[in-house]
Amino acid sequence: QQQVKQSPQSLIVQKGGISIINCAYENTAFDYFPWYQQFPGKGPALLIAIRPDVSEKKEGRFTISFNKSAKQFSLHIMDSQPGDSATYFCAASIRASKLTFGTGTRLQVTL
Amino acid sequence: DSGVTQTPKHLITATGQRVTLRCSPRSGDLSVYWYQQSLDQGLQFLIQYYNGEERAKGNILERFSAQQFPDLHSELNLSSLELGDSALYFCASSVGTSGSEFFGPGTRLTVL
Repeated sequence: QQQVKQSPQSLIVQKGGISIINCAYENTAFDYFPWYQQFPGKGPALLIAIRPDVSEKKEGRFTISFNKSAKQFSLHIMDSQPGDSATYFCAASIRASKLTFGTGTRLQVTL
Repeated sequence: DSGVTQTPKHLITATGQRVTLRCSPRSGDLSVYWYQQSLDQGLQFLIQYYNGEERAKGNILERFSAQQFPDLHSELNLSSLELGDSALYFCASSVGTSGSEFFGPGTRLTVL
């Protein structure tokens, strides 16, 4: 049973555009929702995280939007750059432990 | 660089063999987590240790075991290896029993 569903599987965005990746979860006990960025041959790196008591969190060009009633959250990358090309994983957990990951989105930012 | 180190970087072995993967957490982190990343299963949580004791268990096979030593480094032991065990194995660490997890560079295991 996949508890965190992520879409799209892959995404191509032009430089300067907005990249949007969506995730939906099932377990209402989840209370911590991080996003990880992974480059080929590297481990996942924590990008940004949100807790369900806020609807939006912004860090630089990265924004998480959170909809508790719909059990959905999304990552927006503003002004996408070629250096943002990577695989992005959403995750969810209870008390920020034992992460359940989405299946990943491969983002390619073209010139 | 997350501060989490893993060795070896690559490991090639044969079916039926046993291997040990090693992880050193970030300085000051007491929790160590192990994850498996494969093409068909994605990133899956295996097990967590906190200050030497098992804290949480995920989809870890009985052929796999782990431990965390007094110096807080951790080892993941994989035995009776099968072709399907070929994957990337990541270690992550966090300060407490919960909190933001920081991942190491991984060990790529290939079982032939």
